[in-house]
Amino acid sequence: DAKTTQPPSMDCAEGRAANLPCNHSTISGNEYVYWYRQIHSQGPQYIIHGLKNNETNEMASLIITEDRKSSTLILPHATLRDTAVYYCIVRDLNNDMRFGAGTRLTVKP
Amino acid sequence: GAVVSQHPSRVICKSGTSVKIECRSLDFQATTMFWYRQFPKQSLMLMATSNEGSKATYEQGVEKDKFLINHASLTLSTLTVTSAHPEDSSFYICSARDTGIKKLFFGSGTQLSVL
Repeated sequence: DAKTTQPPSMDCAEGRAANLPCNHSTISGNEYVYWYRQIHSQGPQYIIHGLKNNETNEMASLIITEDRKSSTLILPHATLRDTAVYYCIVRDLNNDMRFGAGTRLTVKP
Repeated sequence: GAVVSQHPSRVICKSGTSVKIECRSLDFQATTMFWYRQFPKQSLMLMATSNEGSKATYEQGVEKDKFLINHASLTLSTLTVTSAHPEDSSFYICSARDTGIKKLFFGSGTQLSVL
């Protein structure tokens, strides 16, 4: 049974912020929220992860709601190279990583 | 950043032959590695968890005698697809867990085509 729910697809204009939502209403206290992306025919690429607090790195920002039941990945200035399938995953550090269907983001010129 | 090397990137083989795929963690030790397969336009499906020095744990529906996993060292895990058939054609991806920094890193994948 899926732990996360993501929209199947989204479009974003080049140069604009891409906001990708994820619902994880059954997340437990020791589970982290991870985001990966997969560009066609490549292995998944790590983007960011967090537990409770919002996180930011050179690639993206992760906003986690106070109740931790949902989160948003923000790509501040999307480029054409950001076109990919984005996966939101919740996991305990000792457990494996299972992928849902993800969101196919298309960045358009 | 941490790198996971997967080899080969692409292999074509005849039906009935065996194919070995290697997964190496290049700059960290990985006590646990994972193997996934992915069919076109589908998500990654976890096949098995590989623990260094012990037997792999397979997901339900994955044949352990068909997909042999060996994790003989802290930096190397191998997946052997035995007696491959056309239905085994898929994209196989490995990942390694860097426990120190709480991340999983993925290899670039192996596209297997069985004729």
